[in-house]
Amino acid sequence: GAVVSQHPSWVICKSGTSVKIECRSLDFQATTMFWYRQFPKQSLMLMATSNEGSKATYEQGVEKDKFLINHASLTLSTLTVTSAHPEDSSFYICSARDIEGTYEQYFGPGTRLTVT
Amino acid sequence: GQNIDQPTEMTATEGAIVQINCTYQTSGFNGLFWYQQHAGEAPTFLSYNVLDGLEEKGRFSSFLSRSKGYSYLLLKELQMKDSASYLCAVLDSNYQLIWGAGTKLIIKP
Repeated sequence: GAVVSQHPSWVICKSGTSVKIECRSLDFQATTMFWYRQFPKQSLMLMATSNEGSKATYEQGVEKDKFLINHASLTLSTLTVTSAHPEDSSFYICSARDIEGTYEQYFGPGTRLTVT
Repeated sequence: GQNIDQPTEMTATEGAIVQINCTYQTSGFNGLFWYQQHAGEAPTFLSYNVLDGLEEKGRFSSFLSRSKGYSYLLLKELQMKDSASYLCAVLDSNYQLIWGAGTKLIIKP
């Protein structure tokens, strides 16, 4: 149990375009989902916390107008990178917290974004 | 501020034992997690400690001392597949995970 999927697993896009990444909890309900970014050889950086039915909470330094987060249901959160630039190229990972579980976060497999 | 320290890199030999330490200073404490992350992959859960003491799970054990703000992950009978980064994370008073930078473990034959 406790499986989280992400789609797509990798994407290449041109500078200036937008990319949407989906995060789904497949066998549990998640009131809270988290979006992380990880650059090569660096640790996870929390970008935002997404709560179902409400606005996401962004970490300091993360532009909410550039990284749009929507958590429309208990099993789906989306991250849209708007007007992507090469410096947005990174590994984006989502995680979900089980509504009935402990505070353990279950991670999706990640999405590798390359902006050319 | 909130701070989690763990060594950047460690090297060990296949079949041996290695201990990865983690010290933390956070606003509140609601548990400590260890995750394993292979290169290019997402983290996977290893252990969760909220009370003092040792939790054993197969070849992996995790220890916690809340009074010292200290934890370690002990890996026994090391295998080549254990080469990965090991992330220590603390759940603070707001139930938010505070992540360490991770320890890259290199296993040599």
